[in-house]
Amino acid sequence: RKEVEQDPGPFNVPEGATVAFNCTYSNSASQSFFWYRQDCRKEPKLLMSVYSSGNEDGRFTAQLNRASQYISLLIRDSKLSDSATYLCVVNMAGFKTIFGAGTRLFVKA
Amino acid sequence: GAVVSQHPSRVICKSGTSVKIECRSLDFQATTMFWYRQFPKKSLMLMATSNEGSKATYEQGVEKDKFLINHASLTLSTLTVTSAHPEDSSFYICSARSGDYNEQFFGPGTRLTVL
Repeated sequence: RKEVEQDPGPFNVPEGATVAFNCTYSNSASQSFFWYRQDCRKEPKLLMSVYSSGNEDGRFTAQLNRASQYISLLIRDSKLSDSATYLCVVNMAGFKTIFGAGTRLFVKA
Repeated sequence: GAVVSQHPSRVICKSGTSVKIECRSLDFQATTMFWYRQFPKKSLMLMATSNEGSKATYEQGVEKDKFLINHASLTLSTLTVTSAHPEDSSFYICSARSGDYNEQFFGPGTRLTVL
């Protein structure tokens, strides 16, 4: 089993749609969690951290369920500019970081 | 936010040559730097983790004699791909992390093409 698994994608959605990405991790000792966004041929950029209490940043909402070892990202009112690959990232003890394979999102007009 | 630079951004070299890639944290001290490789349409694969002043820790399957990492200061790490082969062609990305934050700050990446 992979240490971090994400929805395979790609997701093709119209503008204005709501889309949800899921991610599971296998190591219960994982310490911190993030969603990164990566545009084609660019480096990943932090989208948001993920907390057990859930956090929201504008149209983006992230949730963490430690009991189920599950992380989610919800994007509301999708924009064309949201088209990218979304990476689920888990930090383990000892500064080891594991990236999910990423989920590609295409938002169409 | 914190800025990490990489140089060069793109390099084309002949098979058998060595290529050095620099990663610098411009406005913070990076206690830990990471080197990743990414093949087209694939996720980032961690190659090695380096802490300033100590030897890098390589991930399983990554040859330490082929991918030499030096983290000589709190703002600079280098990756040298020795005796490069066409299969080493990839996108190499570094990231840096300070002791104060969990977040990693990524460099813009270096696209290596070995002919």
